[in-house]
Amino acid sequence: DTAVSQTPKYLVTQMGNDKSIKCEQNLGHDTMYWYKQDSKKFLKIMFSYNNKELIINETVPNRFSPKSPDKAHLNLHINSLELGDSAVYFCASSQVAQSEKLFFGSGTQLSVL
Amino acid sequence: DQQVKQNSPSLSVQEGRISILNCDYTNSMFDYFLWYKKYPAEGPTFLISISSIKDKNEDGRFTVFLNKSAKHLSLHIVPSQPGDSAVYFCAANPNSGYALNFGKGTSLLVTP
Repeated sequence: DTAVSQTPKYLVTQMGNDKSIKCEQNLGHDTMYWYKQDSKKFLKIMFSYNNKELIINETVPNRFSPKSPDKAHLNLHINSLELGDSAVYFCASSQVAQSEKLFFGSGTQLSVL
Repeated sequence: DQQVKQNSPSLSVQEGRISILNCDYTNSMFDYFLWYKKYPAEGPTFLISISSIKDKNEDGRFTVFLNKSAKHLSLHIVPSQPGDSAVYFCAANPNSGYALNFGKGTSLLVTP
């Protein structure tokens, strides 16, 4: 069983489209995250949710909207995709809020053409 | 402004030898440091961590050393194995209320 699973693994789309990435964890963790790995390979936090409540919202364009229907799911919806949104997006979870030990999904490679 | 820096993008080591991966940080408020390992097409996985009250933590073949005065930490892998070939990310956290700051990663290749 995959602990943190995200879908799709690859996403190729045109500029201006709206897309979603789904994430689910079966670890019983309270906190979930979205990280972005850009072309320079840095992993940067985008959002963090604890028990369905937003606790971190880094400087991310408001075209990005996380949605947490329950504490096992954190989806990422992106409106009006731009070329610069091309990156690998990782979902992660941790047992407690801002725990250092994160469990990551395998990533979603987003390519905006 | 990157607060965690891994200045070596890649490292090649022979099997059986020691691998030393380095990491520097700028924020003196960081008090917890971690290493993550990442294989291609997978997410990073936690490897080893160290608190700022310690200067060394060992787990099997992996040892992390922390030099707070130099704001430097290193990961030692002894002996290195081909299965250790991966990208290693250094990460740091000022306290439990903030998200991890990651470095760019160092790609380690262990050759037979």
